[in-house]
Order: sequence, then C-alpha cells, then structure tokens
Amino acid sequence: GAVVSQHPSWVICKSGTSVKIECRSLDFQATTMFWYRQFPKQSLMLMATSNEGSKATYEQGVEKDKFLINHASLTLSTLTVTSAHPEDSSFYICSARELAGVSFGEQFFGPGTRLTVL
Amino acid sequence: GQQLNQSPQSMFIQEGEDVSMNCTSSSIFNTWLWYKQDPGEGPVLLIALYKAGELTSNGRLTAQFGITRKDSFLNISASIPSDVGIYFCAGPHDYKLSFGAGTTVTVRA
Repeated sequence: GAVVSQHPSWVICKSGTSVKIECRSLDFQATTMFWYRQFPKQSLMLMATSNEGSKATYEQGVEKDKFLINHASLTLSTLTVTSAHPEDSSFYICSARELAGVSFGEQFFGPGTRLTVL
Repeated sequence: GQQLNQSPQSMFIQEGEDVSMNCTSSSIFNTWLWYKQDPGEGPVLLIALYKAGELTSNGRLTAQFGITRKDSFLNISASIPSDVGIYFCAGPHDYKLSFGAGTTVTVRA
C-alpha cells in the first residue's frame, strides 16, 4: 500500500518550453501532495504544498507563475514548469499524505522526475 | 522549515559493520521519520517514531526517538552492499516535512 507514482521519470526539453509532471497516489486518497526539488548531493527542498480543490501554497522564493501546480483530484497533482531554463534542471519529487493516515506527518514519496533543460 | 542537523555527512563502512547516524533539532518534534534514498529514486520511509523514548526496529534497522524530542538516531546492524544510499531524517512541522542534509553511506565489500 501507499504507492505514489510520477510521470515521466525523466524528461529532456529545450529552453523556453513547458514541461508537465504528474504525481499520482495509486492505492490511497491524498488530500495533500507536496512538491520537492533536489539538486545533486543536496537534501530535498519543499517547493509547494498542494491541496485538492484549492490553490497551492508556495514556499518562500518559489515562483508560483513559473511552477504551476494543479491538484484536481484526491489522487492526482501536476507540476508544470513553464518556460523552462537550464537552471530549472533538477530532480523533482512529489509526495502524498494519506487522507486517513496514522500520522499527519507521514508522507509517501514518488520515484522522482529528472528534468534536464538544454 | 525547522532546521535538522544530521551527522555524519558521509561514511565509508566495511560490509558487516554496524552504522550509526543521528539527527538533532533546536525545536521539539512529535514525530521523527527516517528515509532512505537510492540514486535516482525518491525517498522510502524506513522507520517512523511517534513517542519520546520510543525504540523501533525494522529488520536490521533500529531507530530511537530521543527523550527530549529534539533528537533521534538510526542504527544499521551488519551492513550489506544494498545499504548503500542516502539516509535522511525528517520531522513534520505544520503539516510539512523538514529534512536533514542526509548521510551518504558507502559500503566496501
């Protein structure tokens, strides 16, 4: 149980294009999903918190117009990197918090999406 | 988020050895989580701790929630090559997770 998938697992795009990453909770409902970015040899940095049916909450320093988040259902959240540039190249990871989980703090992570912007 | 200080930053160990890493915080946490991340993958939850003083095992892994609620440690006994990876401690705060910087474990066969 508690499986989170991401698609695609990797993507290479040209500078200026937009890229959409999907995050799905496969066997549970997630009212809240989180989007992280991880640079090589660094820890996970939270970008935004996505709540089903409402606007995402972005962390300080994260541009909401650049990183568009949509959480349309209890099992799907999407992150769109708009007008991507090489500095956006990173490993993007989503996580989901189970609706009826044991602890509100416990999150289950997707396998990540490697974005490379040329 | 809250700052978690994780140490050591990295370690090289011999197969069969025991490994210990810890995490401290200036703030109190009600939950401590330990994750492992393999290269190119997302973190996988290893152990969750919910009560101060709690000692929990998961196979060769043992983790403890410090009495002060400001620290936790993770032990790996009899390490094997597949223990290679990055281990992160994490604590929830306001429904968000704060992560330690990670401990990179490399096992020599």
